[in-house]
Amino acid sequence: EPEVTQTPSHQVTQMGQEVILRCVPISNHLYFYWYRQILGQKVEFLVSFYNNEISEKSEIFDDQFSVERPDGSNFTLKIRSTKLEDSAMYFCASSELGSSGGNEQFFGPGTRLTVL
Amino acid sequence: GDSVTQMEGPVTLSEEAFLTINCTYTATGYPSLFWYVQYPGEGLQLLLKATKADDKGSNKGFEATYRKETTSFHLEKGSVQVSDSAVYFCALTPDTGRRALTFGSGTRLQVQP
Repeated sequence: EPEVTQTPSHQVTQMGQEVILRCVPISNHLYFYWYRQILGQKVEFLVSFYNNEISEKSEIFDDQFSVERPDGSNFTLKIRSTKLEDSAMYFCASSELGSSGGNEQFFGPGTRLTVL
Repeated sequence: GDSVTQMEGPVTLSEEAFLTINCTYTATGYPSLFWYVQYPGEGLQLLLKATKADDKGSNKGFEATYRKETTSFHLEKGSVQVSDSAVYFCALTPDTGRRALTFGSGTRLQVQP
């Protein structure tokens, strides 16, 4: 069964460093997403991506964040200068259909980012 | 803005007990409603969904009914198993064309043998 994969599973970095989190969405999916979950808190939407551009983003997704689909399979989230409060589990998701509502988003296992 | 409220956990039950996890939402119009489950060490998996009022989503013995009048989508299961131990998230997408999921805080279920 196709699945979303994410690497690495755990990333430790120093404050101020750049990190890139990688995701491979399901191959025939059109929409890609990043969510994050700070320990003990809600899963929060960061950004969605369609047709090689951002289609929607939350207020969390500021200038420190960027997304890219560098090739036909990978989808990346870059944090330019990490802060302590960026420590969280980051989930990538993808979905197949172009219409809104009721469409299943398939989630990866997550990358745990720890900023020291 | 849109929001989802879930009952606090953890919920601890004995095997074969009846499960209810409450979920209420705030959103305009007719959002689509979801329950996701996260097993230990894994990502989020869609458990069930409902896209219009009075729809009942069901999967693996779990059920939830979309109640527009009470803005609720409570998750139920008649007889839980140890393998159901996980964190359960209620979520919605609005009917405005936005695709982002808005999640509740999650409810941890622990089922004891």
